[in-house]
Amino acid sequence: AQSVTQLDSHVSVSEGTPVLLRCNYSSSYSPSLFWYVQHPNKGLQLLLKYTSAATLVKGINGFEAEFKKSETSFHLTKPSAHMSDAAEYFCVVSDTGYSTLTFGKGTMLLVSP
Amino acid sequence: EAGVAQSPRYKIIEKRQSVAFWCNPISGHATLYWYQQILGQGPKLLIQFQNNGVVDDSQLPKDRFSAERLKGVDSTLKIQPAKLEDSAVYLCASSSADQGTQYFGPGTRLTVL
Repeated sequence: AQSVTQLDSHVSVSEGTPVLLRCNYSSSYSPSLFWYVQHPNKGLQLLLKYTSAATLVKGINGFEAEFKKSETSFHLTKPSAHMSDAAEYFCVVSDTGYSTLTFGKGTMLLVSP
Repeated sequence: EAGVAQSPRYKIIEKRQSVAFWCNPISGHATLYWYQQILGQGPKLLIQFQNNGVVDDSQLPKDRFSAERLKGVDSTLKIQPAKLEDSAVYLCASSSADQGTQYFGPGTRLTVL
């Protein structure tokens, strides 16, 4: 069975400061891991994905995530937050490559000027 | 390339009424998914189609929910009769066989009064 725990329901940062959104996963196999972003009234957009290649994954809009098997973590980071980054972020795990996705409950990122 | 299209974007109905949602996936994508996203939670898979066949409907409440994908392209999700707890955003996603990444539509927000 697979599951995802997003450790913070809300994260608040100031514009220009670093972003850290935390995610721990549980998987019976070598998982594929994803981060999706959801802006208000918009569809989910894929930020980045890990599929057993390099453990440091670079995504769109300056985001990156590091797969740490020993810690079962896949935290999302960005060096400098922008106002447009304010949205809800979902960590997602799949045991079967891409097909069956299990979503975390989401982390709402708030960015203040 | 056009994205996943969904309609309507919003729907308000009373309990015990019926409702239908429509999804048009990205052209050429063989796999289509319907998710339910309740407020404050991550999306949960309801049903997955491969072309016009059902791959996984284990979490679909079959006593009231039904879905079809005629001709392996468009899909319709129906709820009959609706309950208050069906209030949610219904997301459609599609993926291609070779790439596998799921692309999401904007969703239909259903309110059941």
